[in-house]
Amino acid sequence: NAGVTQTPKFQVLKTGQSMTLQCAQDMNHNSMYWYRQDPGMGLRLIYYSASEGTTDKGEVPNGYNVSRLNKREFSLRLESAAPSQTSVYFCASRRSRGFDGYTFGSGTRLTVV
Amino acid sequence: SQQGEEDPQALSIQEGENATMNCSYKTSINNLQWYRQNSGRGLVHLILIRSNEREKHSGRLRVTLDTSKKSSSLLITASRAADTASYFCATAGNDMRFGAGTRLTVKP
Repeated sequence: NAGVTQTPKFQVLKTGQSMTLQCAQDMNHNSMYWYRQDPGMGLRLIYYSASEGTTDKGEVPNGYNVSRLNKREFSLRLESAAPSQTSVYFCASRRSRGFDGYTFGSGTRLTVV
Repeated sequence: SQQGEEDPQALSIQEGENATMNCSYKTSINNLQWYRQNSGRGLVHLILIRSNEREKHSGRLRVTLDTSKKSSSLLITASRAADTASYFCATAGNDMRFGAGTRLTVKP
């Protein structure tokens, strides 16, 4: 089925470890986004990519890096994980920055111990 | 900081009743969107209303937008137990900013 695929679904890291969250969409969307969701809070934007080859910081970019590998894929990297990065991470995409809704992946639940 | 702020934070109703959720925002917008999130899942886009529209319908959903008050409301009519979820408004400028959501519980 068409949509946004995130891997892995669950991950436990030790403080200081690194990892990359993968996101791929097969809808030919131009824009892709990474959000984090903490209990009782809405989604906070980490980074986004308005189009292939561009990336921009969102509200909470510290401690993260991103790569827009191609039009389909947008990865999020934690270089040195911290307990404060324990969260659920969502990737989303949309066709353009115009009047389109987002399509979300099912999320990656990350725990940093 | 979050752009949209939903009210109430939690709402509990009986099946068949209507549910109304409100959203306030702070800056000018291109459009406003509502999303639903079932527990442990990603968000699902429900409806989009443009800044030059005042009301929009989609099935049992009715959305209003008042740009002068910087507010929107989502009405779910004849609610069902399956409507139990968290509902978020999101405002679209260069990117999308979400509120903390309204947790709706529909009791059968």
